[in-house]
Amino acid sequence: DGGITQSPKYLFRKEGQNVTLSCEQNLNHDAMYWYRQDPGQGLRLIYYSQIVNDFQKGDIAEGYSVSREKKESFPLTVTSAQKNPTAFYLCASSDGAARPYTEAFFGQGTRLTVV
Amino acid sequence: GQNIDQPTEMTATEGAIVQINCTYQTSGFNGLFWYQQHAGEAPTFLSYNVLDGLEEKGRFSSFLSRSKGYSYLLLKELQMKDSASYLCAVVPSGSARQLTFGSGTQLTVLP
Repeated sequence: DGGITQSPKYLFRKEGQNVTLSCEQNLNHDAMYWYRQDPGQGLRLIYYSQIVNDFQKGDIAEGYSVSREKKESFPLTVTSAQKNPTAFYLCASSDGAARPYTEAFFGQGTRLTVV
Repeated sequence: GQNIDQPTEMTATEGAIVQINCTYQTSGFNGLFWYQQHAGEAPTFLSYNVLDGLEEKGRFSSFLSRSKGYSYLLLKELQMKDSASYLCAVVPSGSARQLTFGSGTQLTVLP
């Protein structure tokens, strides 16, 4: 079945550590996105990528880094520079060439907690 | 800048009809999405509007007025499983397709 997979589902990080969240899709989508969601709030865009080997900062990129070496994969690294990383992280993908716009498909999310 | 407003919470009774409003002010407009999100889960797609008017899909309908920067999601024959957060998201103009989300409306359906 086609879909988008995030791992792990739960992640605990000690202060000062970097952690990497995995996101893989087999939908053949060009565009991929990372969002952060805090309790009771909407989704805020961290980074997005429209094509392999290219990505752009979203609204809250500070303290995060990404790579897009393969079409299927868009990992997110939460660095020690991110001061408040505890949140629910959602990865999404969409068909970058579709007209009209098609919906973004989301992974099941990774809940990151700093301990 | 981008600004999307939705009510924070709504409550309705099983079997009733509820309307969730969304107003937006964005730099350009290429359509509006509605997503449903149950607690701790991924958002799932409900509807997409790019032209003015009403789109109906089963128990759910979505309306758009571009001149007013306004949309609503209408849920009919409410069921307990409809208790969830409903997210309004706008596609700004430009070549990128990232969505700008509102804070979501938490709907509670009571028996």
